[in-house]
Amino acid sequence: DADVTQTPRNRITKTGKRIMLECSQTKGHDRMYWYRQDPGLGLRLIYYSFDVKDINKGEISDGYSVSRQAQAKFSLSLESAIPNQTALYFCATSDTSGGDLRAQYFGPGTRLLVL
Amino acid sequence: QKEVEQNSGPLSVPEGAIASLNCTYSDRGSQSFFWYRQYSGKSPELIMFIYSNGDKEDGRFTAQLNKASQYVSLLIRDSQPSDSATYLCAVNWRGGSEKLVFGKGTKLTVNP
Repeated sequence: DADVTQTPRNRITKTGKRIMLECSQTKGHDRMYWYRQDPGLGLRLIYYSFDVKDINKGEISDGYSVSRQAQAKFSLSLESAIPNQTALYFCATSDTSGGDLRAQYFGPGTRLLVL
Repeated sequence: QKEVEQNSGPLSVPEGAIASLNCTYSDRGSQSFFWYRQYSGKSPELIMFIYSNGDKEDGRFTAQLNKASQYVSLLIRDSQPSDSATYLCAVNWRGGSEKLVFGKGTKLTVNP
């Protein structure tokens, strides 16, 4: 089974709708991240969380919100979706005490299309 | 300002050749560096990480780090068509929040 899972894997929604993307991990990592990836723009950090009580904005947090429901779960919400939020969304995790220099490990991604 | 720069490519090499991918970064205080491989439509996959100057080898992959010149490279020996992917360089920004800053990636094509 995958260590980092994301649901849904694909989603089509309409402008103005609220949607939630979910991420779960079984790696036991304390840190979790949400990124979006757009062609030509690379990976951009939306939000990150270093533990359940810690939530931080990334470089492009406007229009998004997150919830860290448990150490293993981190969800991303688009309160009112707009077409320029069409992108590939990735969740990632890392381990504060890992010997891998806190490398990040990615989920399979959610492809979101906002019409 | 934290930046990670990579040549977008595409870089094309014949099968069996050495592929050399380069990355420069702007934050002189960065301490750890990562290479990810990303196949089209898939998620980034960690290949290697390095924090000391010099070379680090893992199978056909070698990461090279030169902190004085602020560059990190990835060499892929005996390149295979299955190595065709986009390679992302990531740098651990030394700011207190310890975020990774990613380059935009270099697309590698290995021709049979």
